[in-house]
Order: sequence, then structure tokens, then C-alpha cells
Amino acid sequence: DTGVSQDPRHKITKRGQNVTFRCDPISEHNRLYWYRQTLGQGPEFLTYFQNEAQLEKSRLLSDRFSAERPKGSFSTLEIQRTEQGDSAMYLCASSLGEGSYNEQFFGPGTRLTVL
Amino acid sequence: GDSVTQMEGPVTLSEEAFLTINCTYTATGYPSLFWYVQYPGEGLQLLLKATKADDKGSNKGFEATYRKETTSFHLEKGSVQVSDSAVYFCALSDLTGNQFYFGTGTSLTVIP
Repeated sequence: DTGVSQDPRHKITKRGQNVTFRCDPISEHNRLYWYRQTLGQGPEFLTYFQNEAQLEKSRLLSDRFSAERPKGSFSTLEIQRTEQGDSAMYLCASSLGEGSYNEQFFGPGTRLTVL
Repeated sequence: GDSVTQMEGPVTLSEEAFLTINCTYTATGYPSLFWYVQYPGEGLQLLLKATKADDKGSNKGFEATYRKETTSFHLEKGSVQVSDSAVYFCALSDLTGNQFYFGTGTSLTVIP
């Protein structure tokens, strides 16, 4: 297994368009997380899945954002009606099991630019 | 709520200098603490972690000790190399492991 992968790596879109990102976690990992990272900041939690269930969402996740993990494997993050403020790096991470000691493995991120 | 406060950068050091990057946290209970590193053009990688008070995490010459009494997890390295140039993030995981909280990152540049 080569780790967490994300697609695309870069996305440029016009304001008002919808975009969708994909994340493939490490295969045996049951937890999957989405974060947003802006320049000069650390990653900010958006949401996470335990298998296919979305168990927690940050208040940063407006109703224009939706995430799915339909079969408990890969996940998609969709942003509808994009705004310039959505420009950021979107990071996906996965981990195995519950508990605070389990490290998260991060993908390379998808950089979104909204023009 | 839980949070991490990290020393601001950027930090520039000469090769073989001693490095300290400060990190303090606020949390309910006893979280796990992590240092992640982000090399240019790459994703975040775990550098080291500590899961309970007085634990010392270490990797690649870097060390950090979980200090409950000072709520700190400072990163240290005795002799930095040019290849250590990266952005370093302190993070904590809440008791459930459901959320990670990251600091703002500290950019380190090591010059020959």
C-alpha cells in the first residue's frame, strides 16, 4: 500500500462552479478525515468518517460542502457554488481504529484555486 | 475547547545548530501529542508522538517530552541539517481520537 492518495492534486475553477475531490485512504484504515489548510495556517478539521458513517462535522463545513464515503473505502468532498474564500489546500487523512493515540496518515492534498 | 499554540516562525539556523520549537496546549484530560513535518511540496508526515505524561517521543534525532505540568511538548534537535528545512506542526488528538487540533506551523530553514 502506497499511502493516502488524493485526486486531483490541483483544481482551478471559477466562482460559482461545483468541484469534487476524491480521497483513497490506506486500505485497512476505518477512519477518514478531511481538513482544510490555508497559507500560513495549520490544518483545520472539517469532518470525519468511521467506515461509511459521517460521525462529526465542524461548523466550518457550511451547507455548500458535502462529504461521502459510500462503501467505507474512498471518500469524496464536494463544494457547491464555490467562493473565492474556498481557495485552500484540502487534506485527507486516515487512521486505524479508535483512540487518541492513533496517528493520522495524510495525503498530499488537493489545492483549490477559485477565480 | 482544545487548542495548540505554537512558536511563530520563520526560524533560520545554521547547520549543526540546536533547535527548539515551542508548543503548548490546552485540552480536557490527557490528549495525545504529535509533531508533524511538511517538507516542500509534500504532505504532512508524522515525526514523533507521545501518548501520556512524561513520555518522550523521538525520531530522526528530534525529541519532544510530554510535560503535563507545563502543558508543553517542545520539539528539540541537537544538530540540525539542511535536510531538516520544512514546516513543523504541533498537534493534539482529543480523548476520543475524533479530532486533531494543529498549531499554525513553524517554518524552519537551515543554511549551510
